[in-house]
Amino acid sequence: DGGITQSPKYLFRKEGQNVTLSCEQNLNHDAMYWYRQDPGQGLRLIYYSQIVNDFQKGDIAEGYSVSREKKESFPLTVTSAQKNPTAFYLCASSGGLAQDEQFFGPGTRLTVL
Amino acid sequence: QKEVEQDPGPLSVPEGAIVSLNCTYSNSAFQYFMWYRQYSRKGPELLMYTYSSGNKEDGRFTAQVDKSSKYISLFIRDSQPSDSATYLCAMSVGNNYQLIWGAGTKLIIKP
Repeated sequence: DGGITQSPKYLFRKEGQNVTLSCEQNLNHDAMYWYRQDPGQGLRLIYYSQIVNDFQKGDIAEGYSVSREKKESFPLTVTSAQKNPTAFYLCASSGGLAQDEQFFGPGTRLTVL
Repeated sequence: QKEVEQDPGPLSVPEGAIVSLNCTYSNSAFQYFMWYRQYSRKGPELLMYTYSSGNKEDGRFTAQVDKSSKYISLFIRDSQPSDSATYLCAMSVGNNYQLIWGAGTKLIIKP
């Protein structure tokens, strides 16, 4: 089955630690995205990548970093510089004829203790 | 003012009712319009995808775009308790891969 996987589903972090969230897709999509969702709010774009080895900052990139070494993978690192990292993180991808049609993974819930 | 406005709800209706969910937007350049459904603690799933103005129907769901009023709607007929979720609208001008999102409307269908 084609789709997007995110791991882990739940993640706990102590203050001052960096953590990396995994996102893998087997849809052969060129573009991948990371969003943050807080309770009662819509999706806010953190980073996006349109092609391997290239990525751009979204609206709330401060305190986050990404890499895109392979087409299938787009990991997100939440650094200690992110002041309020507790949130639900969603990875998405898009490609093919409908470039704006984004498909989402199941999400990772990050909690800072 | 946000680019896309969406009433967060919650909207509570009885089972079998027709549901109307709406978004307004300010950027007249938006061409692609989407509705996503998100169950609690899950990733959003694409429900409807429309280009420019007009209606699109898929089973119990109808998406409507009125570009002259900068207004989009999602109608759900014969609503079921399984339709209870948060519905997010999203739109783009196309060709730049970025979607602009509404905040989502929480819908509750009462049995």
